[in-house]
Amino acid sequence: QITLKASGPTLVKPTQTLTLTCNCSGFSVSSNGVGVGWMRQPPGKAPEWLALIYWDDDKRYTPSLKTRLTITKDTSKNQVVLTLSDMDPVDTATYYCAAWIGPRPFDSWGQGTLVTVSS
Amino acid sequence: DTVMTQSPLSLPVTPGEPASISCRSSESLLHDNGYNYVDWYLQKPGQSPQLLVYLGSNRASGVPDRFSGSGSGTDFTLKISRVEAEDVGVYYCMQGLQNPFTFGPGTKVDIK
Repeated sequence: QITLKASGPTLVKPTQTLTLTCNCSGFSVSSNGVGVGWMRQPPGKAPEWLALIYWDDDKRYTPSLKTRLTITKDTSKNQVVLTLSDMDPVDTATYYCAAWIGPRPFDSWGQGTLVTVSS
Repeated sequence: DTVMTQSPLSLPVTPGEPASISCRSSESLLHDNGYNYVDWYLQKPGQSPQLLVYLGSNRASGVPDRFSGSGSGTDFTLKISRVEAEDVGVYYCMQGLQNPFTFGPGTKVDIK
């Protein structure tokens, strides 16, 4: 059974860097055809895709946030880490990680973690 | 960015009746390989989104066959043949062809 769990701080201050960790189980982040992506969803709004890392370490970022985003994976821990720098109150949202398995995009989502940006 | 629009934005439904949601993209989502890179997700109240349909018309694992996806190019439809009470939530289409991947605004389905 595939499960993902996003974790990180619930409150960050403006200008700080957010670091989120996605712990994956039931699949390997280094298996051929696998990817892990991050989305965020402000309250009452649609999800927004942020970044995606593939099994071969190929990375994709949404252009509007590319200068602030970094996605990496740790195959030994089967984790994917997302950092978002220079946080602003508009970055307040629930952040989700999700698995991309073969042809099935974001086939399984983690529970999400609410991040609030406030001084 | 590829803009995804959905209609209607709100859909009251009667259990046992069919329902249909439209999704349109600002650019063609038909790849040279013949696949349409549009997916459908359902976010039930208080839950994370779940994949229903991928590549336009393929049901994800465990998704009931009352859900079906169709369309090509820029116009896509998600149909529920007979709505059940557990189908309430917000339905999103997403395009996975162009960077950035983009979601539609969502269609809220609830019971009349």
